[in-house]
Amino acid sequence: DTGVSQNPRHKITKRGQNVTFRCDPISEHNRLYWYRQTLGQGPEFLTYFQNEAQLEKSRLLSDRFSAERPKGSFSTLEIQRTEQGDSAMYLCASSLDPYANYGYTFGSGTRLTVV
Amino acid sequence: DAKTTQPPSMDCAEGRAANLPCNHSTISGNEYVYWYRQIHSQGPQYIIHGLKNNETNEMASLIITEDRKSSTLILPHATLRDTAVYYCIVRVAGLGAGGTSYGKLTFGQGTILTVHP
Repeated sequence: DTGVSQNPRHKITKRGQNVTFRCDPISEHNRLYWYRQTLGQGPEFLTYFQNEAQLEKSRLLSDRFSAERPKGSFSTLEIQRTEQGDSAMYLCASSLDPYANYGYTFGSGTRLTVV
Repeated sequence: DAKTTQPPSMDCAEGRAANLPCNHSTISGNEYVYWYRQIHSQGPQYIIHGLKNNETNEMASLIITEDRKSSTLILPHATLRDTAVYYCIVRVAGLGAGGTSYGKLTFGQGTILTVHP
């Protein structure tokens, strides 16, 4: 197991297009998180899943954003009708410990550039 | 979750100890102090966490003041590879009602630590 995998690493898209990112967590981890990070800022929470259930969504997650984790394994984050303000690094993390006391494992992120 | 305050940047000489401070004066009794770091172009990496006792692991030591209003992360022998942004986060650990809220981490802007040769 090589950790949390995110694909693609980089994505350039035109404004108005839809994009989808994929996250493969560590296989036995039941919790999966999505964060967004803009330049010079710390990561911001977007949403998280416990198995296939989406338990919390940030107000940052507008109706153009949707996340799924259909079988409780990998997850996808889709952004519809992209805007320039969506340009950011999208980070995925996973954890096994139900209380997440011992930290999450983050992937290396998908960098989105909207032109 | 309580807010934290960290200096925006710090320097350290290679081989010396790096001491990164964090203020969390509004911390509650059930909130832990977590430290993460983020090396350029990578996702954040968990370092250490603690409630009120000092903690040490293979990466670092965490010193929490008796009143819990501040803490210090210590990298005992900093190397060039320790150059990163270090985030101090205060968070309730465990499950909240309905399994919500306690899962997420709230990051600030962190401290940029630069280790010099």
